[in-house]
Amino acid sequence: GAVVSQHPSRVICKSGTSVKIECRSLDFQATTMFWYRQFPKQSLMLMATSNEGSKATYEQGVEKDKFLINHASLTLSTLTVTSAHPEDSSFYICSANDSPGSPLHFGNGTRLTVT
Amino acid sequence: QQQVKQSPQSLIVQKGGISIINCAYENTAFDYFPWYQQFPGKGPALLIAIRPDVSEKKEGRFTISFNKSAKQFSLHIMDSQPGDSATYFCAARAGFQKLVFGTGTRLLVSP
Repeated sequence: GAVVSQHPSRVICKSGTSVKIECRSLDFQATTMFWYRQFPKQSLMLMATSNEGSKATYEQGVEKDKFLINHASLTLSTLTVTSAHPEDSSFYICSANDSPGSPLHFGNGTRLTVT
Repeated sequence: QQQVKQSPQSLIVQKGGISIINCAYENTAFDYFPWYQQFPGKGPALLIAIRPDVSEKKEGRFTISFNKSAKQFSLHIMDSQPGDSATYFCAARAGFQKLVFGTGTRLLVSP
């Protein structure tokens, strides 16, 4: 089955630093990957849609300069949280499918804690 | 109209019982309805999905019932086990558009 790998699973960083999260599709090529944010006991909130070789599409209210997304290959997308602050602490999850309209598969998420 | 309403918010079921989670939608363009299971600290895992051309789909102990006229769909977990304790999300999508998630249901199956 389709496997999406996310790294790291947990990261702690100091306020003001940047953190990069990687999302890889292991056994399929993903022209599109999605980045979600999830607060405790809440649903998933789509942050942006990442398209290979082009700029990401951000959802309303998501700061594109704070959450930099790069989708340089068909199997890798990265999310960089720039100048992180404690309010950026959250669970970030990526997902991908192998073709438009096919089932969406999720990574195991990254728990970001900003101190 | 893009919302998917999910209920209940939380559910406690005895081991061996049936867990039922319901979702409702308004957007008639939705044509794909998956259910995801999420354990604490993990990403959601696709459990089962249905398209509106069928009224029911069963995979093992998990069944989706779909009522197109009522714009509702539900997840039934038969013979619920403690290992099924997790948060369940329904979702919906129209064509190639983004997935819209429900608010989630925390299921606890008591031994």
